[in-house]
Amino acid sequence: GENVEQHPSTLSVQEGDSAVIKCTYSDSASNYFPWYEQELGKRPQLIIDIRSNVGEKKDQRIAVTLNKTAKHFSLHITETQPEDSAVYFCAASRTSGTYKYIFGTGTRLKVLA
Amino acid sequence: KAGVTQTPRYLIKTRGQQVTLSCSPISGHRSVSWYQQTPGQGLQFLFEYFSETQRNKGNFPGRFSGRQFSNSRSEMNVSTLELGDSALYLCASSLGGIAETQYFGPGTRLLVL
Repeated sequence: GENVEQHPSTLSVQEGDSAVIKCTYSDSASNYFPWYEQELGKRPQLIIDIRSNVGEKKDQRIAVTLNKTAKHFSLHITETQPEDSAVYFCAASRTSGTYKYIFGTGTRLKVLA
Repeated sequence: KAGVTQTPRYLIKTRGQQVTLSCSPISGHRSVSWYQQTPGQGLQFLFEYFSETQRNKGNFPGRFSGRQFSNSRSEMNVSTLELGDSALYLCASSLGGIAETQYFGPGTRLLVL
């Protein structure tokens, strides 16, 4: 069946460094790719998303890139801060056919002060 | 607008019992999805409802069921609880179009003893 692979499962970076999380999807019909941040004990919150008609999207320190040919997309966080420490989930969905919303297994990001 | 709400927030049950969880979506949202979140498995899709109809179902046993009411509120039921059902159950709502942004509730933490 369709799945989304997410790497790495854990990531530690020094404050101020960049963090990159990568996801690969299998459903070629996927065309919507959101990223969620989940702080400990809280609900997942959307931080950025991208649709298949664009290759990159930025929002301040966060960016997402999409390579539809290779079926992978990545989250980039620059100038990381300790408060960025959380679990990040990628997801893939499509706008046609059977409803599908598949999440990656999550990346635990630790930003060390 | 008020966010997605879930009740109860915490629940303790024993094996063999059944449980019903409730989710109230954001006003105007017609789609409600349910997910099971466990430390090792990430976010697993249970099912999604739109206009009182189940549009898709994940790979969970028939003990897991749900429904949606005309006001878009949704309930999830788990019968004959097993220890492995202990998890955080999250619901998410969206406007209803496929591949639209989902907004999560705070979750119901279920512990099965």
